[in-house]
Amino acid sequence: QQQVKQSPQSLIVQKGGISIINCAYENTAFDYFPWYQQFPGKGPALLIAIRPDVSEKKEGRFTISFNKSAKQFSLHIMDSQPGDSATYFCAASDSGGGADGLTFGKGTHLIIQP
Amino acid sequence: DTGVSQDPRHKITKRGQNVTFRCDPISEHNRLYWYRQTLGQGPEFLTYFQNEAQLEKSRLLSDRFSAERPKGSFSTLEIQRTEQGDSAMYLCASSWAGGELFFGEGSRLTVL
Repeated sequence: QQQVKQSPQSLIVQKGGISIINCAYENTAFDYFPWYQQFPGKGPALLIAIRPDVSEKKEGRFTISFNKSAKQFSLHIMDSQPGDSATYFCAASDSGGGADGLTFGKGTHLIIQP
Repeated sequence: DTGVSQDPRHKITKRGQNVTFRCDPISEHNRLYWYRQTLGQGPEFLTYFQNEAQLEKSRLLSDRFSAERPKGSFSTLEIQRTEQGDSAMYLCASSWAGGELFFGEGSRLTVL
């Protein structure tokens, strides 16, 4: 049973474009939704996270949009750069707003073409 | 470097052998997590500790797997009688309770 469904599996975007990755969840008890970035041979690194009391959070070129009623959240990368090429994972947990026992999506392999 | 460190980074073993991985968390963090990541998949939660207490174990953690954090600092993950299906990246992460997880670079296991 996959509790967090992520799409697309892979994505190619031109430099300067907007990259959009989507996730849907099933467990309504989830209350913490982070996005992780992973480069080859490295561990995942937290990019940005949101809690369900807000619908959007922006940090630099990265924005999370959250739709509680649809049980969906998405990552937007504005002005995408070649250095953004990586695998991105959405995740969720039900630990009262913290990061305990995260459930991850399967990942999106993002390629930014120069 | 004060991040999460894992050792060894790569381990190749024959089926049936035992392997042990070590994780040194960020020193001020009281929680330590183990995840497993297979190729093309997201990390899967295995277990976590708060200080020396193991608070939760996933059903993915079969009887052949054991994790310890004897003094609430470093942790070890041992896999006994390895199988080819155990081949994966084993990731360690640490945090304050309810805080952001910081991952190490992982220990890659290949079982021949």
